[in-house]
Amino acid sequence: ETTLTQSPAFMSATPRDKVTISCKASQDIDDDLIWFQQKPGEAPILIIQEATSLVPGIPPRFSGSGYGTDFTLTINNVESEDAAFYFCQQHDNFPRTFGQGTKVEIK
Amino acid sequence: EVQLVESGGGLVQPGGSLRLSCAASGFTFSKYSMNWVRQAPGKGLEWISYISSDGITYYTDSLKGRFTISRDNAKNSLYLQMNSLTAKDTAVYYCARERTIVEVDYGVDVWGQGTTVTVSS
Repeated sequence: ETTLTQSPAFMSATPRDKVTISCKASQDIDDDLIWFQQKPGEAPILIIQEATSLVPGIPPRFSGSGYGTDFTLTINNVESEDAAFYFCQQHDNFPRTFGQGTKVEIK
Repeated sequence: EVQLVESGGGLVQPGGSLRLSCAASGFTFSKYSMNWVRQAPGKGLEWISYISSDGITYYTDSLKGRFTISRDNAKNSLYLQMNSLTAKDTAVYYCARERTIVEVDYGVDVWGQGTTVTVSS
């Protein structure tokens, strides 16, 4: 089973800050990693696919990087509407696994 | 518009069973792999199960034997049969489409709104 270790669990940012979230895989998963955003009471939304590709319709301040075992989600010039939980998921093998999630608070 | 609508959640006693359904619309259901994912109150996401377009299934080890995923392509529907439920199964259950391109899976891309299962006496 591929364990995804996501950090930090919580972060607080100010508008226009740069936010960086890490997701580390316990084994090589190529670029088979996706990122979701989830707001309270809502279903998750896919924001990054294939580790680095921005999903159409997602603001370009979101970006993903990484390959193999180390991945990063970056939000440049964070806005108040970006307050949410962020999760990574690997689809390289079964069982599919998720990171534990990061709660991003915007002050 | 691609849409997934879950149903069948509710309150069930410990040891009971429940069958969740997911009605799909807006895409050719038979060509896509599908997943069930759950989220316990205040917790992260937990992947439960996957079924390919032609019926190949995978489960998370901890739920194998109690939960069964199935699909009816003629009815554009996905199901999750859950047996021997305990309080630990209390969660919102999501139906989620796998982004499948020419029979290759690229991870979940669309989620339903979820259905709530509460296991309590």
